Amino acid sequence: TQLLEQSPQFLSIQEGENLTVYCNSSSVFSSLQWYRQEPGEGPVLLVTVVTGGEVKKLKRLTFQFGDARKDSSLHITAAQPGDTGLYLCAGALVYNQGGKLIFGQGTELSVKP
Amino acid sequence: EAGVTQFPSHSVIEKGQTVTLRCDPISGHDNLYWYRRVMGKEIKFLLHFVKESKQDESGMPNNRFLAERTGGTYSTLKVQPAELEDSGVYFCASSPFGTYNSPLHFGNGTRLTVT
Repeated sequence: TQLLEQSPQFLSIQEGENLTVYCNSSSVFSSLQWYRQEPGEGPVLLVTVVTGGEVKKLKRLTFQFGDARKDSSLHITAAQPGDTGLYLCAGALVYNQGGKLIFGQGTELSVKP
Repeated sequence: EAGVTQFPSHSVIEKGQTVTLRCDPISGHDNLYWYRRVMGKEIKFLLHFVKESKQDESGMPNNRFLAERTGGTYSTLKVQPAELEDSGVYFCASSPFGTYNSPLHFGNGTRLTVT
């Protein structure tokens, strides 16, 4: 059973388009982190959200944590080819305070020029 | 500062053989994690060290896997004997704080193929 459902798994869009990636769960998380991974490399942290309803922006990327802390979204405005990569959401469950993360399956994004 | 280093980057072994993966965390990071991604699946937690102690090993699949972190510096993950289903990418990550909002610094992973 997938504890953190990430969708879509694959996304191919044209440069300039907008997109949203979703992570959903029935469990409550203390925090939700978003990572980006390039081929042959490890995931690199983009942002951490910890408060229900929190919104964080990183240039053209907007991250939101659901009010109930069960879901999160990543919105990219005017996508560019450089945004191509694997995006991962990962959450820390409320009953596990040791930093252990539950990962979504990832979204493979391809932005074509 | 140097990042998390993993060795080897790739390993191809036959079923029944032994393989040892090594991870050097960022200097000063007491928390070290092992994660694994098998083909088509999500990245899954294996275990968490705080210094040399195993804080949480709930993700270790079975007793063919042995992780150590002697001296609280680098860590090794030994698979003995390896099975086909052990194939995947093994990631090591470190963090200065083992809390729910601590960012993890990942290595580039070791791609293990068991034939």
